[in-house]
Amino acid sequence: DTAVSQTPKYLVTQMGNDKSIKCEQNLGHDTMYWYKQDSKKFLKIMFSYNNKELIINETVPNRFSPKSPDKAHLNLHINSLELGDSAVYFCASSRGQPAGTQYFGPGTRLTVL
Amino acid sequence: QKEVEQNSGPLSVPEGAIASLNCTYSDRGSQSFFWYRQYSGKSPELIMSIYSNGDKEDGRFTAQLNKASQYVSLLIRDSQPSDSATYLCAVFSGNTGKLIFGQGTTLQVKP
Repeated sequence: DTAVSQTPKYLVTQMGNDKSIKCEQNLGHDTMYWYKQDSKKFLKIMFSYNNKELIINETVPNRFSPKSPDKAHLNLHINSLELGDSAVYFCASSRGQPAGTQYFGPGTRLTVL
Repeated sequence: QKEVEQNSGPLSVPEGAIASLNCTYSDRGSQSFFWYRQYSGKSPELIMSIYSNGDKEDGRFTAQLNKASQYVSLLIRDSQPSDSATYLCAVFSGNTGKLIFGQGTTLQVKP
C-alpha cells in the first residue's frame, strides 16, 4: 500500500492553462504539506495544512491554491501556468502537529511549455 | 545568508570509505535536525534525525550535532555504491512549523 500518493506523476501543459495535482495519504497523519523542488534540486515549503486548516502559506503567487477536503487529502490547483512553474511538486505528511519527520509522495513533474 | 547551507558537491569517495557530509544553519531557535536521502528521480526519504548535541548512530550512519556552532553532519561508514544519492540536510523550527532544507550534497561512491 502506498503511504503518500500523488496524481498525476507527469504533467505537461501550455502556458496559461489551469491544472490540479492531487495528494492522498493513508498513514492517518494530521498534517500535510506541498513542496516545490526546482531544477537546482532546492526543496522549498509552499503550504501546510493541519486537520484541514491552513497553517503555513509561504510567499507563493496567489495563482497557487491548496485545498484540503479532509485530513487525508491535500490538492494543489494552479491557475494561469507560467514557464517558471516548471518543477517537481512533492506532497508530504507528518503525524500530529507540523514536524520534521515527514513522509513524501513520489512527486509530480510539471512542465510548462 | 541561506538558512541551511550545504556544499553541493559532488563528493566522491571509494567504496568502503567514510563519507562525511556537512551542514550549517542560521536559526539558533531550531530544535530538530534531519538528514533525508534522495535518489535521482525519486522522493526524499528520512534516514536520520537528531535532537540534542552529540552523536547518534544508526547502522552505518552517524549524525552529529553541535548547536553552539550551528553545525550538523552525517557520516556514512563503509560507503556502498547504493549510497550514491543526494543528501538533504533539513532543520525544523517549532516556532514556524517549517522544515527548511539545504540545497543537498550529491554523493558518488565509486566501486
